[in-house]
Formats: sequence, structure tokens, C-alpha cells
Amino acid sequence: EPEVTQTPSHQVTQMGQEVILRCVPISNHLYFYWYRQILGQKVEFLVSFYNNEISEKSEIFDDQFSVERPDGSNFTLKIRSTKLEDSAMYFCASRGWDGDTQYFGPGTRLTVL
Amino acid sequence: AQKITQTQPGMFVQEKEAVTLDCTYDTSDQSYGLFWYKQPSSGEMIFLIYQGSYDEQNATEGRYSLNFQKARKSTNLVISASQLGDSAMYFCAMRGHYNQGGKLIFGQGTELSVKP
Repeated sequence: EPEVTQTPSHQVTQMGQEVILRCVPISNHLYFYWYRQILGQKVEFLVSFYNNEISEKSEIFDDQFSVERPDGSNFTLKIRSTKLEDSAMYFCASRGWDGDTQYFGPGTRLTVL
Repeated sequence: AQKITQTQPGMFVQEKEAVTLDCTYDTSDQSYGLFWYKQPSSGEMIFLIYQGSYDEQNATEGRYSLNFQKARKSTNLVISASQLGDSAMYFCAMRGHYNQGGKLIFGQGTELSVKP
């Protein structure tokens, strides 16, 4: 069964460093999303991406964040200068053209020290 | 604005019994989608079940079913014959506007504990 994959599973970084979180969505999906979940809290939307451009972004998704689909398979989230409050689980999700359901990857736990 | 509310922070159920997790939503859209996801302690988000706003029948998927009451704007998840492996966090979510990419808006979650 096709699935969304994410790497790395856990990333530890120093405050101020850049991180890139990687996702491989399900191969025939067209809509891509990033969400984050601070420990013990609900899942929050960051950004949606379709046809090589951002469809919507939340208030959290400020100038420190960017997304890219550098090739036909990967979807990345970059945080340019990490802050302590960026520590969270980051989920990638994808959706096909013909359905509502978003399938989530296993997440990347980002720890900013 | 669209909103999802889960008012039960934690629930307990005896193994093999049924349990209902509550979820209410608020939206002015006529077309919307409602979802339930399971998050075990390992952290992944597992899709369980979906209900479209125009679906006349309540959705069912194995031991999971939805009690969808459109007029009351509620979509409660019923888990029948609970198993120990059902112990997890359960999130209700609503699909936002398609013209904004169809993002999911999540509730606060309900932590379900299944007792042997």
C-alpha cells in the first residue's frame, strides 16, 4: 500500500541553524501539506502546496519557512533560522485529485536546543 | 471561521465494550469533509474514517462508525468491541475550503484508554 515517507525521523539542531525536512508523498497525489504538532497539543496547519505553488499558509508560516518540490517526488520544508519554539513534530501529508482524504507521513520530531 | 471542538480530553473504556468520542464542528460551508485520525504513542497520524457533508449514510469502516448529525453539526466516532490497541489519541478534523488548498482543521483530541 502506498504511503507517505519522511526523513529524518528525528532532527536535533542548535538555535539559529537551518533545517530541511524531507517528505516523499504518495506518487500520484497532487496536493501536499505540512502540519506541526507541539508536544501535547493539537495538530496545526502550516502550508498547502499545489501545482508548484503555495495555496495557503498559516500565520505560523512566516518568512523563516519555505517549501519546495525540487523534483517529481520530494517535498521539503525549510526553516532558515530555527527558534526554540520551532521544536515540534512536523507532519507531511498528501491528497489525490479525486478525494478528500489526506494521508500523513510518520513525522519528523524536530528538537531545537 | 471553521472550528472543531472535542470536549472530552480523556476517556476510559473496558476492553470489548463500545465507546463514543464526541466531536462538533462549525462551518458556513455547504460542502465539507469530516475526518477522524488516530495517533498512538508512537506519534504517527493514522486515517480512520471520513464523512462527506452530502453523504446520507453514516460512514463505517470495520469497527469504526460515525454518528453524523448534520443539523446538530456533530460527527461522533463510535468504536465497537474496543481492543487494547485502540488506546491512543483521537483527533477529529474538518476539511477547509478547496480554494484555499483544502487544509485540515483539527480538534484538541481525546485520549482513549482501553482497560483490560
